[in-house]
Amino acid sequence: EADIYQTPRYLVIGTGKKITLECSQTMGHDKMYWYQQDPGMELHLIHYSYGVNSTEKGDLSSESTVSRIRTEHFPLTLESARPSHTSQYLCASSEDQGYDGYTFGSGTRLTVV
Amino acid sequence: AQSVTQLGSHVSVSEGALVLLRCNYSSSVPPYLFWYVQYPNQGLQLLLKYTSAATLVKGINGFEAEFKKSETSFHLTKPSAHMSDAAEYFCAVMPPGGFKTIFGAGTRLFVKA
Repeated sequence: EADIYQTPRYLVIGTGKKITLECSQTMGHDKMYWYQQDPGMELHLIHYSYGVNSTEKGDLSSESTVSRIRTEHFPLTLESARPSHTSQYLCASSEDQGYDGYTFGSGTRLTVV
Repeated sequence: AQSVTQLGSHVSVSEGALVLLRCNYSSSVPPYLFWYVQYPNQGLQLLLKYTSAATLVKGINGFEAEFKKSETSFHLTKPSAHMSDAAEYFCAVMPPGGFKTIFGAGTRLFVKA
């Protein structure tokens, strides 16, 4: 079944640790996105990718980095986690420019203590 | 710049009552518009989309939305609320050139028995 998967679903980690949030999709979509979601706030785009070897920063400044070595895989890395990184991170993908909407993963809820 | 405003962070209705969730956008040209639903601990799921084919758009689960250019609105409605409709709803806008989608802050819908 075509879908988009995020792991882990929940993560509690100490300050200063390096973490990677995984995102994989089986739909062959070229476009992929990472959004940050906080309660009562708009979803903020932090990274996006047009395709393999293409990554761009989004509208919200983020200390995270991403890579796109394979079409299906779009991991997000925090080199040194801080409490301010506590949030929900949503990965999404779209066909073409996204006119048919996005397909979202279930999200990773990150807590940095 | 594109933006989207959802009026009311919380809406409460009785089961069987009309559901009306409001969304206004700002754009110099009609954009692509979307409504997404998010159930607890899940990612966003596309409810419906407006892509200029018809002003009244029908989506899943009995929801529909009407695009009104003169009011720059794209309100979401459902004639009769069901308990299973309790969730958070996000309005989103994408510029005509496509690609980056901007999300509203969301409206949490409560359904009372």
